[in-house]
Amino acid sequence: AQSVTQPDIHITVSEGASLELRCNYSYGATPYLFWYVQSPGQGLQLLLKYFSGDTLVQGIKGFEAEFKRSQSSFNLRKPSVHWSDAAEYFCAGDDMRFGAGTRLTVKP
Amino acid sequence: NAGVTQTPKFQVLKTGQSMTLQCAQDMNHEYMSWYRQDPGMGLRLIHYSVGAGITDQGEVPNGYNVSRSTTEDFPLRLLSAAPSQTSVYFCASSLGLAGGREQYFGPGTRLTVT
Repeated sequence: AQSVTQPDIHITVSEGASLELRCNYSYGATPYLFWYVQSPGQGLQLLLKYFSGDTLVQGIKGFEAEFKRSQSSFNLRKPSVHWSDAAEYFCAGDDMRFGAGTRLTVKP
Repeated sequence: NAGVTQTPKFQVLKTGQSMTLQCAQDMNHEYMSWYRQDPGMGLRLIHYSVGAGITDQGEVPNGYNVSRSTTEDFPLRLLSAAPSQTSVYFCASSLGLAGGREQYFGPGTRLTVT
C-alpha cells in the first residue's frame, strides 16, 4: 500500500541546535505531502505541504522541508530549535495516511 | 469562527456501553473524517464523508458507525464499546478529498473503555 514512514520515534535536540525529521514515502507518482505538528493535548496543525514545483517548501514557525524524489524523502528541517517546538510531528500523504509520528524533545 | 469542535473532551465507558462522539465544523467544508490516534501508530482513518449523505470506510472502521445528515456535523458512534477502542479520537475537515487540501483538526476526545 502507498504510505509514508517516519523512521524515528523520538528525537532529542538541544535548544538552538538544528533539527531534521525524516519522512519517506512510497507513492508512485509525485505525491502531495504534508507535515503536521501536534502540541501536547492539542489537535494537529499544518506546518507545510508539497505538491509540485519548487522542492524546498517553506512553512510556518520557521520550518522547511525538502522533497527528494531520488531518495523518496520529504524531510522536515529547522535551523535553530526553540523550546516551544517540543511536540509530535507527523508526515502525511494525500490519501489520508499518516506516519507513526516523531516526538521531539528539546533540552535546555 | 470556531473551526472544528469536538465533544466531549474526555469520556470513560464500560465495555458494552454505547456513545456518540460529536464533531462540528463551521467552515462549510464538504469533506470530514474521523481518526484514532494510538501510541506508535500515528493517526488511522476510521470513516470519512465527502458530503452530506455520503460516507465511506477508512482503514479501521470496525466497531464504529457514522452518518452525515448536514454539512456541519459528523458524529461517530460506538455501538458496543470494547477496551480496544481506548484511544484519542480526532475529527478533521477540509475543502475536499485529496488534491493537496489541508485538513483542519479538532482538539480530540480521549476515550477510555474499561
